[in-house]
Amino acid sequence: DVVMTQSPLSLPVTLGQPASISCRSSQSLVYSDGNTYLNWFQQRPGQSPRRLIYKVSNRDSGVPDRFSGSGSGTDFTLKISRVEAEDVGVYYCMQGSHWLRTFGQGTKVEIK
Amino acid sequence: EVQLLESGGGLVQPGGSLRLSCAASGFTFTTYAMSWVRQAPGKGLEWVSAISYNGGDTYYADSVKGRFTISRDNSKNTVFLQMNSLRAEDTAVYYCAMNWNLDHWGQGTLVTVSS
Repeated sequence: DVVMTQSPLSLPVTLGQPASISCRSSQSLVYSDGNTYLNWFQQRPGQSPRRLIYKVSNRDSGVPDRFSGSGSGTDFTLKISRVEAEDVGVYYCMQGSHWLRTFGQGTKVEIK
Repeated sequence: EVQLLESGGGLVQPGGSLRLSCAASGFTFTTYAMSWVRQAPGKGLEWVSAISYNGGDTYYADSVKGRFTISRDNSKNTVFLQMNSLRAEDTAVYYCAMNWNLDHWGQGTLVTVSS
């Protein structure tokens, strides 16, 4: 199975400051069709997860543009340009290029 | 608007069975794969199973293979997860999600395996 490793696992941030989460995969996530199926999810406290980013860098509908995804191959990053209070929660990366699907451990974002 | 509504969770004894359902609306169900993901209390997300748009292809996590069965009824816009031989470690909130890459999620249903 593809192992997804996130860092850091805990991320205290100051409101209005940027934040960055790293996600590394144990194998390349480039699929046979040329796409890289790396997704990012946000889970706010007490809520279901929702997808923020798909195929590395594409924002889902309704996702604020302060969220951005980047990376390639085995190394990916989620960035929040200016953290707002509503961004508190746990963020997960998930690879969709290999069976079975695998998630990272999650990164807890909290306000300092 | 995409809506996914899970049901069927509850308390079951070890070794018992449960059948989860997920009723979908707001999209053309018959053209999308569907997935199940679970989250044990206080833990992270674990992908469980997925099924292709017509039910022809199914996939399972190693932890549930041989015990869980995913299926769908396209006439009722519903996907199912039949869970047999349940263990304490299957205790979790089970989420239904749209598509292979989990485009949209339901609110989840809690499964508790305990004597």
